[in-house]
Amino acid sequence: GENVEQHPSTLSVQEGDSAVIKCTYSDSASNYFPWYKQELGKGPQLIIDIRSNVGEKKDQRIAVTLNKTAKHFSLHITETQPEDSAVYFCAASRHSGYALNFGKGTSLLVTP
Amino acid sequence: KAGVTQTPRYLIKTRGQQVTLSCSPISGHRSVSWYQQTPGQGLQFLFEYFSETQRNKGNFPGRFSGRQFSNSRSEMNVSTLELGDSALYLCASSVTGLNTEAFFGQGTRLTVV
Repeated sequence: GENVEQHPSTLSVQEGDSAVIKCTYSDSASNYFPWYKQELGKGPQLIIDIRSNVGEKKDQRIAVTLNKTAKHFSLHITETQPEDSAVYFCAASRHSGYALNFGKGTSLLVTP
Repeated sequence: KAGVTQTPRYLIKTRGQQVTLSCSPISGHRSVSWYQQTPGQGLQFLFEYFSETQRNKGNFPGRFSGRQFSNSRSEMNVSTLELGDSALYLCASSVTGLNTEAFFGQGTRLTVV
C-alpha cells in the first residue's frame, strides 16, 4: 500500500520566517496531494491541495510543490505568524482509492 | 453552510462494550470516510461510504464496522472494545470521495477503560 513519509516531525521558526515541510510517497499511482492543518482539539482543516498534473500551487502565504519523478511534495509557508502554530499533515491518494494516506505530521511552532 | 458534525464529542466506555459514533456530512456531500487518530499510529483510514455502499476499507479488524443512510449520514460501530481502541475518531465528507476535497469534523474522542 501507499506509504507517506513526512519530515521534520517538529519545526520551530521565528515569526516572519519561512517554514518548509517535506513529504515523500511510494505509490506512483497517487495523484492527489492535500495538506491539512490541525489545531488542538479540532479536526484537520484542508489548507491547500495539488494534483499530479500541476507542479506548483500557491494561495497567499502558502504554496505546495510536487515533483512526480522524485515522488515528493512540499508545503511552504512564508511570513509565518503565531497563529500558524499547529500540526500539519500531508496526504496522498490514488484516483481509485477513495482513501487518504497520511504522513505522521509536523508540529510547527512559530515564536513571536 | 454547516460543516461536518460528529456526535458525541466525547465518550468513555468499558472494555468489552460496544459503541456507535455518528457523522453528518456537509449538505450535498455523498462520500463519508472514517479515520482513527492516535499519537502512535497517526491518522489511519477505516472505511469510506458512498450512496450507502462501502467502497473501500482499511486494515482494521472486523470489530470496526460502519454504514451510511440514504441522507448520507453515517455511523461507525466498534464492538468488544479494547483499551487500544482509545483514539480520536474523525469523519470526513466530500462530494464524490474521488480525489476531491475532504472536510473533517471535530472528531469523537473515545476513551476505553
